[in-house]
Amino acid sequence: TQLLEQSPQFLSIQEGENLTVYCNSSSVFSSLQWYRQEPGEGPVLLVTVVTGGEVKKLKRLTFQFGDARKDSSLHITAAQPGDTGLYLCAGGYGGSQGNLIFGKGTKLSVKP
Amino acid sequence: DAMVIQNPRYQVTQFGKPVTLSCSQTLNHNVMYWYQQKSSQAPKLLFHYYDKDFNNEADTPDNFQSRRPNTSFCFLDIRSPGLGDAAMYLCATSRRLGGNTEAFFGQGTRLTVV
Repeated sequence: TQLLEQSPQFLSIQEGENLTVYCNSSSVFSSLQWYRQEPGEGPVLLVTVVTGGEVKKLKRLTFQFGDARKDSSLHITAAQPGDTGLYLCAGGYGGSQGNLIFGKGTKLSVKP
Repeated sequence: DAMVIQNPRYQVTQFGKPVTLSCSQTLNHNVMYWYQQKSSQAPKLLFHYYDKDFNNEADTPDNFQSRRPNTSFCFLDIRSPGLGDAAMYLCATSRRLGGNTEAFFGQGTRLTVV
């Protein structure tokens, strides 16, 4: 069974703090996607990383794909209440086979 | 403008009473997916359509069926909902198959079974 483990499961921080969440697997993925899901809404894609060691930045969010393409991290600088949500990572195997494998997510709460 | 639209947003159904959830898309994507997401769990793929080709996940219960009458619409039918089927149901689309392609999700339908 291919699993994506996300940690921590829950994170509650104050506005302005920095944080990092992790997504780990024993499988090698051809790509990894990060989604944010707000309560009562569907997930929205934040970024896709495809190359081992790749780093992508989206404003205060920095995403990194591990060199071996088995893990990824999301770092948020100076978190804001608007960052609150469920952060899901999803791994893909590429080609025309297979679909995204989702982790359980990290539930982030940023308090003002 | 919303590109993947799910109706209704909230659905309450009685135990054992058939229920249908609907999804429509304006993206003209080939692939449409249905996911089930329970509280604090990962979205679980139930099935997907590539055009008219239906692909059922091996562990999807027979109680769940799907129809895709045309490119734009896809339906999830739950024939005899049980209490364990209460969940958020997410519809998603993508241009092509494969894990490298971006999935666009609807807002979801939260199903309550009473």
